[in-house]
Amino acid sequence: EAQVTQNPRYLITVTGKKLTVTCSQNMNHEYMSWYRQDPGLGLRQIYYSMNVEVTDKGDVPEGYKVSRKEKRNFPLILESPSPNQTSLYFCASSFSGANSPLHFGNGTRLTVT
Amino acid sequence: EDQVTQSPEALRLQEGESSSLNCSYTVSGLRGLFWYRQDPGKGPEFLFTLYSAGEEKEKERLKATLTKKESFLHITAPKPEDSATYLCAVQAIMTTDSWGKFQFGAGTQVVVTP
Repeated sequence: EAQVTQNPRYLITVTGKKLTVTCSQNMNHEYMSWYRQDPGLGLRQIYYSMNVEVTDKGDVPEGYKVSRKEKRNFPLILESPSPNQTSLYFCASSFSGANSPLHFGNGTRLTVT
Repeated sequence: EDQVTQSPEALRLQEGESSSLNCSYTVSGLRGLFWYRQDPGKGPEFLFTLYSAGEEKEKERLKATLTKKESFLHITAPKPEDSATYLCAVQAIMTTDSWGKFQFGAGTQVVVTP
């Protein structure tokens, strides 16, 4: 089944403790992206990747890192999480990024205390 | 700066009561406008892509239309299973600082009661 898989689904951590949220897609998509969703603000793009080894900042990249070493994986790294990064995170992929619809994972709910 | 505004924020409908959701946008040049449906606890699910003013797309009880400044999602004779949050997103024509970016609206939460 074609899908975008994120792990974990739920994560509670403390301020400053490094964490990684994994994202994997099995559709051979070129483009992958990370979003955070907060009430009243909608989905905001954190980082995106047009292809392997090519990443770029979205609208809210501060406090996050990403890497794209393989086509199928696009992990989101929080080196020193803070409470304002408490949010619902979504990974998405698309065939090419241009004119291609996004396929989303089921989300990771992160709480930073 | 690209902006996407959706209205209303929430909509409560009786089963069979048709209505429309609005997505207004400002973008330097539109590459595509996308509609998604999001159910609680899940990621958004793709519905439609619209590329140019005058274009229309239909799927079951949903119909999306596009003008130069806004898009409408019409729900005809809705059923309870149409209850969801509907999101629109725009992608701008490639520029050096926006290539690959999608701008989402905050969504319209639709509740359809029997």
